Amino acid sequence: RKEVEQDPGPFNVPEGATVAFNCTYSNSASQSFFWYRQDCRKEPKLLMSVYSSGNEDGRFTAQLNRASQYISLLIRDSKLSDSATYLCVVRGNTGGFKTIFGAGTRLFVKA
Amino acid sequence: DGGITQSPKYLFRKEGQNVTLSCEQNLNHDAMYWYRQDPGQGLRLIYYSQIVNDFQKGDIAEGYSVSREKKESFPLTVTSAQKNPTAFYLCASSPPRGTTNEKLFFGSGTQLSVL
Repeated sequence: RKEVEQDPGPFNVPEGATVAFNCTYSNSASQSFFWYRQDCRKEPKLLMSVYSSGNEDGRFTAQLNRASQYISLLIRDSKLSDSATYLCVVRGNTGGFKTIFGAGTRLFVKA
Repeated sequence: DGGITQSPKYLFRKEGQNVTLSCEQNLNHDAMYWYRQDPGQGLRLIYYSQIVNDFQKGDIAEGYSVSREKKESFPLTVTSAQKNPTAFYLCASSPPRGTTNEKLFFGSGTQLSVL
C-alpha cells in the first residue's frame, strides 16, 4: 500500500462546477498535511495547509479526518485557471521531516 | 531574495556517466529534500536531510547519492547504477515542523535526459 493515495483522475469539469479531491494516508503518526498545486513542468506551490478543524480559503476548503486517515480538498465555482495537478502531501513524525507526496490528481476545467 | 536555486535547468547524461545536480538555499532551513518526477506522475522522495552531515534514504534511493556538508547545499549525484535516470528532479527545503510557515520551498527543477 502506498503511503499517500489519491484519486487517479483526471477530472474533467465545466466552469462553475464543484469538484472534490480525496486522499488517504497510511501512517497514523503523520503530523502535518497539505494540498499543493502543480502546473505542467513547474515546481509545486502550496495551496493550503490542512487542519483537523477544517479550513477555508476563498473557493477552497480542506478537511482532515485523523480517525479515517483521510484528507479532502473541495473547489467551488471552478475557474479555467484551476486546471492543474493537485497533490496531497503528508509530513511524518517518525523519521524526522520525511515528506511524502501523493501521485496527484489532474484537473481540467473547460469553458 | 531568499530561495532555492537548482542548476542546471537541463542536463544530459551519457551512458555510464555520473552527473551531479546542484541545490543551494539561503533560507537557513535545516531540512532539505530531493524528489524525482516522471511524466504524468507524482513526486517520489529520493533522499532527505534533517541537518548538516546527516541524510536519510527516501523511497527510491537506489542509484543516487547525496551529501550535506553545508547547511546551504544538498547536491544529488545520479550514478551509473541508476538505469532509468530520465526525469524531472526537484529540490526542496523546509523550516522546522511546527513553525508558522511550515511549507516546502521548491527550486525550479532540473530536467535530466540520457543521450
